[in-house]
Amino acid sequence: DVKVTQSSRYLVKRTGEKVFLECVQDMDHENMFWYRQDPGLGLRLIYFSYDVKMKEKGDIPEGYSVSREKKERFSLILESASTNQTSMYLCASWPGTAMNSSYEQYFGPGTRLTVT
Amino acid sequence: AQKVTQAQTEISVVEKEDVTLDCVYETRDTTYYLFWYKQPPSGELVFLIRRNSFDEQNEISGRYSWNFQKSTSSFNFTITASQVVDSAVYFCALSSGGGSEKLVFGKGTKLTVNP
Repeated sequence: DVKVTQSSRYLVKRTGEKVFLECVQDMDHENMFWYRQDPGLGLRLIYFSYDVKMKEKGDIPEGYSVSREKKERFSLILESASTNQTSMYLCASWPGTAMNSSYEQYFGPGTRLTVT
Repeated sequence: AQKVTQAQTEISVVEKEDVTLDCVYETRDTTYYLFWYKQPPSGELVFLIRRNSFDEQNEISGRYSWNFQKSTSSFNFTITASQVVDSAVYFCALSSGGGSEKLVFGKGTKLTVNP
């Protein structure tokens, strides 16, 4: 089974802190994604990466950066956390259009971040 | 721009009722993919189905069925004989399948099935 893990289920940080959210997948997927989920807004794409050291902005990249030094790990960084970044953060991975791909994105359990 | 609309914010039914979750999408692409995901209270999104734009055949999987109609840009999801375990938030999503599989999600429909 594909496994996507996120470093924390719950996280509380103070305004202005630098925050790292880590995501690891164990299936050698090329593509990884970071979403945030807010009530009434659904999931919105923050950043995605289609290869090591490659990244592209999603729909709401402001206030965030990402790092992908190894294929299995995709980190989301909040350079200076603010209260409006309090949210549920979901990581996903996708194998691409390789043969036998089921084409679904596999999601991690999420990190609920509270910034006070 | 791509857009997914799930007009039903919350639905509440009694166990064994049938329930349909609506999904309407907008895209200018001729090739695209539609998805449904389930998010139970535990939080992890669970993949339910993927359908490409060239396949309008309806799909049935146990108590779940999906109706894809390009003419109305809809991809509706029906649960037959609902059960309490079906209680979750359900998301419809769209991608253009250009390679990165960037998903555009609807806002979700929260389904509560009462015993």
